[in-house]
Amino acid sequence: TQLLEQSPQFLSIQEGENLTVYCNSSSVFSSLQWYRQEPGEGPVLLVTVVTGGEVKKLKRLTFQFGDARKDSSLHITAAQTGDTGLYLCAGEGGTSYGKLTFGQGTILTVHP
Amino acid sequence: NAGVTQTPKFQVLKTGQSMTLQCAQDMNHEYMSWYRQDPGMGLRLIHYSVGAGITDQGEVPNGYNVSRSTTEDFPLRLLSAAPSQTSVYFCASIGPTETQYFGPGTRLLVL
Repeated sequence: TQLLEQSPQFLSIQEGENLTVYCNSSSVFSSLQWYRQEPGEGPVLLVTVVTGGEVKKLKRLTFQFGDARKDSSLHITAAQTGDTGLYLCAGEGGTSYGKLTFGQGTILTVHP
Repeated sequence: NAGVTQTPKFQVLKTGQSMTLQCAQDMNHEYMSWYRQDPGMGLRLIHYSVGAGITDQGEVPNGYNVSRSTTEDFPLRLLSAAPSQTSVYFCASIGPTETQYFGPGTRLLVL
C-alpha cells in the first residue's frame, strides 16, 4: 500500500506570510496532484506534476515534484485570506488509471 | 454542463438501515470513484469503476456495494449502516490526465 504523509496538518498564518506544505512517501509515484477544498465543497485540482524535478507555478503558488518522484511541496508566497482552505496532495502509482492515494491534508488558515 | 452531481446532500440513518448515495456525471468519462473523507485522514478510496459493468474495490470497500449500469451513473449502496460509516462521501469522475472532478459530497450521520 502506498502512503502519502502530508505536513503540517494545520497551518495558521498572517496575511502576507510565506508557507510551504510537504507531501512525502517512501513509494515512487508516476504523477502527483494537488487539490484545494473549501468547506462544504469537493476538492478542486490545482496542478499535476509528472516529471521528477518538475516545478510548476500558478500565480503565487509554486509546486515541486522531487527528483525521485517520492515527494512534493507546495509553496505559497504572500498568502492571502482567499488562500484559506484544505490542501490535499494525491499520488498516482502507475498501476491503475486514476486510482489515487491521498495525503491527510493541510488545513490552512490565513488571518487578515 | 452540471459536471458531477450527488444526492442527497445530507442524510441521517439509524444503525442497520440501508441507503443508496446517488452520483451522476455528464462529462462522458469512463472512470469514476467513490471516496470517504474523515477528519485527519484525507480521502480514502471505497470503490472504483473503469466503465459500465466494471467495478473494483478500493482501500476501504467493506460495508459498501457499487454497480455501474451506465456511463453516467455510479450509485454507492450502504447495506447495513454502522456508526463507523459516518463520514462525508465524495464521488469523482476521472477525466484526461487523471484529473478527478469531484461532486459536492453527501454528509452522512449514522446514529
